Amino acid sequence: GNSVTQMEGPVTLSEEAFLTINCTYTATGYPSLFWYVQYPGEGLQLLLKATKADDKGSNKGFEATYRKETTSFHLEKGSVQVSDSAVYFCALRTPRQLTFGSGTQLTVLP
Amino acid sequence: GAGVSQSPSNKVTEKGKDVELRCDPISGHTALYWYRQSLGQGLEFLIYFQGNSAPDKSGLPSDRFSAERTGGSVSTLTIQRTQQEDSAVYLCASSRTSGGETDTQYFGPGTRLTVL
Repeated sequence: GNSVTQMEGPVTLSEEAFLTINCTYTATGYPSLFWYVQYPGEGLQLLLKATKADDKGSNKGFEATYRKETTSFHLEKGSVQVSDSAVYFCALRTPRQLTFGSGTQLTVLP
Repeated sequence: GAGVSQSPSNKVTEKGKDVELRCDPISGHTALYWYRQSLGQGLEFLIYFQGNSAPDKSGLPSDRFSAERTGGSVSTLTIQRTQQEDSAVYLCASSRTSGGETDTQYFGPGTRLTVL
């Protein structure tokens, strides 16, 4: 079946550190891929998406590239801020509903 | 514009009672989804509505769960005879359509259900 595997957290980084959160998926065909973010006390927000192989999604300094050959969609940011502290969810659309990874808690310390 | 809204934001109920959760999607969005976020299970799909088509109920965990969508807009998720394992945050999302580039799902703030 369809599934998403995310790097387990929690992840704790110092401000301005480099961030990578790994995400791999199993699916038939080539689903659209998403990263959602959930800030403390808030709902899920779309962070970025990619709809086909080799697409790069980007937003707020975050990037992720749809890698068909490795079935991956890793999230990266070059310099994290305290305000990036949140839970990050990788997801794929199969074919309409979203299948989510387990989420990765990120804490950025000043 | 206005986002997806859900009510109530919090609901505490006793085991065995019925509850109704409401979702108002973004105006003009034809697709509506319900998900559940719980500690043990993460984020799970429950049910999907698209226009006037029959809903996709494949994610509903038991026959105690049901949902309807009136007039292609507001949706109500009903849980009958609630159990403690139903405690979770219930999320609603909507999207403009159900396929293609416009199929980004926008989520509401959720309803936190606690079953005592």
